[in-house]
Amino acid sequence: GAGVSQSPSNKVTEKGKDVELRCDPISGHTALYWYRQRLGQGLEFLIYFQGNSAPDKSGLPSDRFSAERTGESVSTLTIQRTQQEDSAVYLCASSVGGSGRSYNEQFFGPGTRLTVL
Amino acid sequence: GNSVTQMEGPVTLSEEAFLTINCTYTATGYPSLFWYVQYPGEGLQLLLKATKADDKGSNKGFEATYRKETTSFHLEKGSVQVSDSAVYFCALSEVSGGFKTIFGAGTRLFVKA
Repeated sequence: GAGVSQSPSNKVTEKGKDVELRCDPISGHTALYWYRQRLGQGLEFLIYFQGNSAPDKSGLPSDRFSAERTGESVSTLTIQRTQQEDSAVYLCASSVGGSGRSYNEQFFGPGTRLTVL
Repeated sequence: GNSVTQMEGPVTLSEEAFLTINCTYTATGYPSLFWYVQYPGEGLQLLLKATKADDKGSNKGFEATYRKETTSFHLEKGSVQVSDSAVYFCALSEVSGGFKTIFGAGTRLFVKA
């Protein structure tokens, strides 16, 4: 596709349930990022994938959060046993990535709005 | 570790007023600096960037200069329009961090007609 896509656009779930959020990056982008944006707040880094390297998971807030990426394509962010404080917009971004680049513009998807009741 | 600090909002201006949104950073190396913008109901998009000291990024009338001596990257526009109302995020990306990008908390701008 032309841009980063995410699904679903909205997800309402009950506390304690598991949810999966999907991200389709721009074709050819080797780097993929997940962020969380709580209402009225900035972006909170969650996890970063670069090619076949081990992902940088330093931003994951708890072991209930995990993410996978298949090669250099789709990524899935999974939240287990959701809590009300998980309610937020989850943003995915991709970039060309790779070594030797002096900057790395990120292209963002529209986000998934998660509401935990 | 790396961090970005930007002025708290909201900032409310009248149309054609001068805009400054302050941003300072902390980094161990030589980061690239960015401003991203999030218009109401839309996703984040890159507004401008600067990759080394003294570079000036510019786009849509906005400018920001990479100041290594003051570790700053303040966003400016000479004459704002109602359509500039949005949330603005300052960010840095460093090679040593694997291009992980650190974002500031965002500054909401309201421009009144």
